[in-house]
Amino acid sequence: DIQMTQSPSSLSASVGDRVTITCRASQSISTYLNWYQQKPGKAPELLIYAASSLQSGVPSRFSGSGSGTDFTLTISSLQPEDFATYYCQQSYSTPITFGQGTRLEIK
Amino acid sequence: EVQLVESGGGLVQPGGSLRLSCAASGFTFSSYAMSWVRQAPGKGLEWVSVISTSGGTTYYADSVKGRFTISRDNSKNTVYLQMNSLRDEDTAVYFCAKGVSGSYYKTFDYWGQGTLVTVSS
Repeated sequence: DIQMTQSPSSLSASVGDRVTITCRASQSISTYLNWYQQKPGKAPELLIYAASSLQSGVPSRFSGSGSGTDFTLTISSLQPEDFATYYCQQSYSTPITFGQGTRLEIK
Repeated sequence: EVQLVESGGGLVQPGGSLRLSCAASGFTFSSYAMSWVRQAPGKGLEWVSVISTSGGTTYYADSVKGRFTISRDNSKNTVYLQMNSLRDEDTAVYFCAKGVSGSYYKTFDYWGQGTLVTVSS
């Protein structure tokens, strides 16, 4: 199975900050990497697919990069609605696996 | 508008069974793979199972293999998860999720609101 490791596990930041979350795969997954945002009590929402493609309707302050084993999600200027938990997910092979999540909190 | 509505969750004793349903609308259901993903209370996301467009191909997480069965009825736009031999560790919110088309079927662009399954005596 492909293990996905996110860092940090939690992060405190302020509105307007630039934030980067990293995700590392235990083996190469090319660009089969997705990012989701989940708010408390809600279903996850797809932000970025194929490592760097912005899902329709997602604000352009979100961006993704990487290939192989190392990936990043960047939020260029945090907005109040961005405080949530973020998960990476590999779609390279089954079993499909998620990172453990990064909780983004208000400083 | 794409909608996925799960139902069938509830309280069940260890060793019991439950069948979850996910009714889909707003897209051509038969053209997309569907998955179930679960989330234990306070924990992260865990993929459970995926089914192909025709239902002929299925995959499962090792944690549920042999106990859970995914199926679909394209005439009813519904995907199911039959859960048998339930364990305490199966307690979670279960989400159904729509796969993106083609080779990206393991990417989930729409999710239901989830249904809570509690396994407890």
